Amino acid sequence: GAVVSQHPSWVICKSGTSVKIECRSLDFQATTMFWYRQFPKQSLMLMATSNEGSKATYEQGVEKDKFLINHASLTLSTLTVTSAHPEDSSFYICSARGRSRTAGELFFGEGSRLTVL
Amino acid sequence: DAKTTQPTSMDCAEGRAANLPCNHSTISGNEYVYWYRQIHSQGPQYIIHGLKNNETNEMASLIITEDRKSSTLILPHATLRDTAVYYCISSNFNKFYFGSGTKLNVKP
Repeated sequence: GAVVSQHPSWVICKSGTSVKIECRSLDFQATTMFWYRQFPKQSLMLMATSNEGSKATYEQGVEKDKFLINHASLTLSTLTVTSAHPEDSSFYICSARGRSRTAGELFFGEGSRLTVL
Repeated sequence: DAKTTQPTSMDCAEGRAANLPCNHSTISGNEYVYWYRQIHSQGPQYIIHGLKNNETNEMASLIITEDRKSSTLILPHATLRDTAVYYCISSNFNKFYFGSGTKLNVKP
């Protein structure tokens, strides 16, 4: 199946710093990418949807100025957690889908674990 | 918001079939039923999806009721590596909202 890669896999940062997480589709053009966060023992929560070349659409309750999403190309989307605080510590997962809507599959990255000290 | 309900957990003996139910009584006509699973600390893995017909692939079978209000994922011969949280999602392919899923415990 298609491959979606995230980097870094894990990151530790100090409170107040910003962290960027990259999500790449390695073998297909991702017209849409989704960003999720997951707290321990909980399900995935959709944060935002990004379409290549346009602004991301954020879910209710997700601060767009806190979680900056850029989808500048068909193979790369980035999530920047600005001025991170300990409560932002979480597992962040991206997913991507390609042009073909009949494929039906949403491909997920391996996830990035953020720990804010 | 998630529009599916699943049991919190299920046990299955290794080598037996695992049948995971999902209720999606408010599913729309253009929404598919998707199943993903997540093994601890990894990204979700696609299993199967369907619209109204039953589907089968190398991983599992998906049985969708005629009224499309519920479905069952079948793992024909569960192994210990199938222990994971299984998520059922109804989506028109625009957004994918995850519910709480079913924790499947495959026991030797």
